[in-house]
Amino acid sequence: DAKTTQPTSMDCAEGRAANLPCNHSTISGNEYVYWYRQIHSQGPQYIIHGLKNNETNEMASLIITEDRKSSTLILPHATLRDTAVYYCIVRSGGSNYKLTFGKGTLLTVNP
Amino acid sequence: NAGVTQTPKFRILKIGQSMTLQCTQDMNHNYMYWYRQDPGMGLKLIYYSVGAGITDKGEVPNGYNVSRSTTEDFPLRLELAAPSQTSVYFCASSYSKAGGFGYNEQFFGPGTRLTVL
Repeated sequence: DAKTTQPTSMDCAEGRAANLPCNHSTISGNEYVYWYRQIHSQGPQYIIHGLKNNETNEMASLIITEDRKSSTLILPHATLRDTAVYYCIVRSGGSNYKLTFGKGTLLTVNP
Repeated sequence: NAGVTQTPKFRILKIGQSMTLQCTQDMNHNYMYWYRQDPGMGLKLIYYSVGAGITDKGEVPNGYNVSRSTTEDFPLRLELAAPSQTSVYFCASSYSKAGGFGYNEQFFGPGTRLTVL
């Protein structure tokens, strides 16, 4: 599975959009981009995933560049409860069992 | 549905003691996983199971054992606890079609915080 690079930390004002970048320059054609988050002391929570196209669900939007070498997770209206560590994970569609978690980005939403 | 439940929430062990961390899911998922998370780090896969009776090693299996006799339960056994096993342990489950291809969302339990002194 491809390696990912994320900033260590980011800040965002409450009510504003939070844009979390992820670099995955070695991604291959059959690898998906997943985003999970972990609120302090809790188990990780799935947010969204994508392969080529941009995706949106009730939690967030995922923008994947045309060359697929990077992506951005967008929380459109961040709240204090969105303060968490966000993990960008690249995984092959064929290796079902394996999610490799790096250190992620600590997003702090400020009032 | 309760989702993925783990017991106990907290435990302190002495070096050399043994214990079993319990994990149960009520979503009829075929895949189950055990991860550990050390302070300030990401999660590391210990063991996983693709169905009852089938288990396999993950990234950091040494010092642990697992079994999967039912779809619902996936206990993790620590033999001869060591301080290096001080960590937070997360169990997770997911559903996957035969062959394990394609997308799957992993559902995580609340974790067990283990300290070995």
